[in-house]
Amino acid sequence: EVQLVESGGGLVQPGGSLRLSCAASGFSFSTYWMSWVRQAPGKGLEWLANIKDDGSEKYYVDSVKGRFTVARDNAKNSLYLQMDSLRAEDTAVYYCARGSTGLWGQGTLVTVSS
Amino acid sequence: DIVLTQSPATLSLSPGERATLSCRASQSVNNDLLWYQQKPGQAPRLLIYAASNRATGIPARFSGSGSGTDFTLSISSLEPEDFAVYYCQHRSNWPYSFGQGTKLEIK
Repeated sequence: EVQLVESGGGLVQPGGSLRLSCAASGFSFSTYWMSWVRQAPGKGLEWLANIKDDGSEKYYVDSVKGRFTVARDNAKNSLYLQMDSLRAEDTAVYYCARGSTGLWGQGTLVTVSS
Repeated sequence: DIVLTQSPATLSLSPGERATLSCRASQSVNNDLLWYQQKPGQAPRLLIYAASNRATGIPARFSGSGSGTDFTLSISSLEPEDFAVYYCQHRSNWPYSFGQGTKLEIK
């Protein structure tokens, strides 16, 4: 089955760090750009980051640039989002997506609160 | 950065009626525009890509049109399961962005 499964969300204090993972299956992971998108509670969608199929290019939206790092391990069919210096406004459901192909995971909730 | 503005914010219609949703870009995105449907507690579902192409498995009652800066998502005859929030998104250049969404509610 073609799917993406996120993990690693949870409660973290402001200023803390968290690493999200996304496990891909059922398709040739190493041939696709991958992305992270988030949605704050009751709000709209925000496209956060893109990473090229071989990891050689990465793009970030300004709101997370310098704090979040996207990475991938094609041998493990996995995508990652390292989130540092977390703020209350980073509270959201985080989705991994296979580029803009329409394949999304179910999301993982990150809550930043003291 | 390109800003996408969707209208209306809320659209109240009855099953069987036609829905027309608008998305306007602050500058040309050519035809690199997508439409998603999202229901509560679910990930967005891709409906339309490249402005007018239905994604796999999307019913024919959904159609997209437009190019440049003005785009439309039409639903020809609303089914009960179509009531949801709809987002447009561009991927013309970085950063990608979404519109703020249109909530399609039952009248």
